[in-house]
Amino acid sequence: GAGVSQTPSNKVTEKGKYVELRCDPISGHTALYWYRQSLGQGPEFLIYFQGTGAADDSGLPNDRFFAVRPEGSVSTLKIQRTERGDSAVYLCASSLNGGGVTDTQYFGPGTRLTVL
Amino acid sequence: ELKVEQNPLFLSMQEGKNYTIYCNYSTTSDRLYWYRQDPGKSLESLFVLLSNGAVKQEGRLMASLDTKARLSTLHITAAVHDLSATYFCAVAGNMLTFGGGTRLMVKP
Repeated sequence: GAGVSQTPSNKVTEKGKYVELRCDPISGHTALYWYRQSLGQGPEFLIYFQGTGAADDSGLPNDRFFAVRPEGSVSTLKIQRTERGDSAVYLCASSLNGGGVTDTQYFGPGTRLTVL
Repeated sequence: ELKVEQNPLFLSMQEGKNYTIYCNYSTTSDRLYWYRQDPGKSLESLFVLLSNGAVKQEGRLMASLDTKARLSTLHITAAVHDLSATYFCAVAGNMLTFGGGTRLMVKP
């Protein structure tokens, strides 16, 4: 596709449930990033993939959060035992080669997660 | 730990006026980005600044970078209502570290 796509656009779940959020990056982009944006704040980094491997997962808040990118393209962010504090917009971004001097991250529309 | 601070957090302007948004960051970086976000939408890349003294302009927006002062500015010239949005600066390492955003409202 022309841009980064994310599904679902909205997800409402109950506390304690498991959720999966999907990201389709721009075709040919090797780097993929997940960010979380709370209301009225800037996005906060969660995890960065270069190809299939997680190059930096230092932003994941705890072990309830996990992400995969098994074939180096689509990525899934998985949240176990959701808590109300997990409610936010989860943004995915991709870039051509992850950190080159002129590399720009292109963002998807986000998934709005609401934990009741 | 890299910290990025923007000010002001909120800016209400009249159409036709000029103003500047400031972005300070705490450690050295070779790239700084400015993004625009409309309500309920994702982030749109506006500028990437790569070196000390870099200046980029697009329409009524001009961004500059002073790496020695660790400061970037986004200057708005003769604001129009269509510029109303939230503007974020972001400093690059492997990931982006974002400022808190500046919510701009341009009134007719």
